Amino acid sequence: AQKVTQAQTEISVVEKEDVTLDCVYETRDTTYYLFWYKQPPSGELVFLIRRNSFDEQNEISGRYSWNFQKSTSSFNFTITASQVVDSAVYFCALSDSGNTPLVFGKGTRLSVIA
Amino acid sequence: GAGVSQTPSNKVTEKGKYVELRCDPISGHTALYWYRQSLGQGPEFLIYFQGTGAADDSGLPNDRFFAVRPEGSVSTLKIQRTERGDSAMYLCASSLQYQETQYFGPGTRLLVL
Repeated sequence: AQKVTQAQTEISVVEKEDVTLDCVYETRDTTYYLFWYKQPPSGELVFLIRRNSFDEQNEISGRYSWNFQKSTSSFNFTITASQVVDSAVYFCALSDSGNTPLVFGKGTRLSVIA
Repeated sequence: GAGVSQTPSNKVTEKGKYVELRCDPISGHTALYWYRQSLGQGPEFLIYFQGTGAADDSGLPNDRFFAVRPEGSVSTLKIQRTERGDSAMYLCASSLQYQETQYFGPGTRLLVL
């Protein structure tokens, strides 16, 4: 069975600090896809990144970076120089190669304080 | 282009009533998904459509829940005899094809009194 664990329920940082959100996943499939979504207070889930299981290269997009490590089944997300606008709930999600939709973690609420 | 839209944005109803929630996917997206998100939780899958047919409805909690997508575009999630436990945010997403990236709408917040 698929499972996504986001152990950090809430994180609070001061603006300009770096912060890493952890994501650990479980799946029996060798082909799968990992995602991060951002949910601001408005409620709409905003897509951030999709990564397939065969691509372990880390990715950087502006202040965002992602560290995918199959050996530890982790797909962690780092925000560099955090800003107040980064305050939101962040979800990690998993989809395998079979007929299953996204399985989400419980989310991490990030509060960035000015 | 236009994103996924959902109506209404909020719905308040009384226990036992029938409600319909509408989702209009991104134009050209063949796959459409419904999720339910309770407070403090991640979204949970309800049903997925590929075209007009429900390819997977394993997430529907019981037979009070039903969804249709008659023309392969707009979808309606229908809840009969609503219960207080149905109160949640109902999210719709669409993707070009199955397993492509899902893009979410703003959700419908349902409150059953």
